[in-house]
Amino acid sequence: AQTVTQSQPEMSVQEAETVTLSCTYDTSESDYYLFWYKQPPSRQMILVIRQEAYKQQNATENRFSVNFQKAAKSFSLKISDSQLGDAAMYFCAISDYTGANSKLTFGKGITLSVRP
Amino acid sequence: NAGVTQTPKFRVLKTGQSMTLLCAQDMNHEYMYWYRQDPGMGLRLIHYSVGEGTTAKGEVPDGYNVSRLKKQNFLLGLESAAPSQTSVYFCASTPRNNEQFFGPGTRLTVL
Repeated sequence: AQTVTQSQPEMSVQEAETVTLSCTYDTSESDYYLFWYKQPPSRQMILVIRQEAYKQQNATENRFSVNFQKAAKSFSLKISDSQLGDAAMYFCAISDYTGANSKLTFGKGITLSVRP
Repeated sequence: NAGVTQTPKFRVLKTGQSMTLLCAQDMNHEYMYWYRQDPGMGLRLIHYSVGEGTTAKGEVPDGYNVSRLKKQNFLLGLESAAPSQTSVYFCASTPRNNEQFFGPGTRLTVL
């Protein structure tokens, strides 16, 4: 079974500053996907960034980047130049790459607030 | 494309009542999922389907049933609602081993 741990329930960042959200995971698979999803107050789940475990290079999407440490099973999300619209709940998730079911296992989430 | 849609958006039930949540996707995705989201618990998988006519249990299947009679629709049923089923329910779909696309969610309250 796969597990995802987000140990920080809440974080706060000053607008324009950088913040890093932590995530650790456990899996017996050698190939898998890792995701960060954003859930704003609207409740819609929005994909922020995706990382394939077999790729060495860390994924980046504009102001969002990850620090993927496969040996340590760590997958943190860095948000640069934080904006008020980044305030949301963020979920880390893992998916089995080779399995037939593509099931996602989510962490419990972290609530990010942005101070103006 | 409408993506993934869920009906209804809100519902209030009394204990023991039944209802069906409808999920529809127009992206021709093979896989569909039902999750529930509770405070402090993240999203937990209820049931899922890897194709038309197939369903399987997820992490928290008790008290729910599902059906996938058409590829584009995935129904979640509660035969006898309980207060413990008060939650926000999300449907998602994916082609396979890729990003899951989520619906807007259904907030269900069981009194």
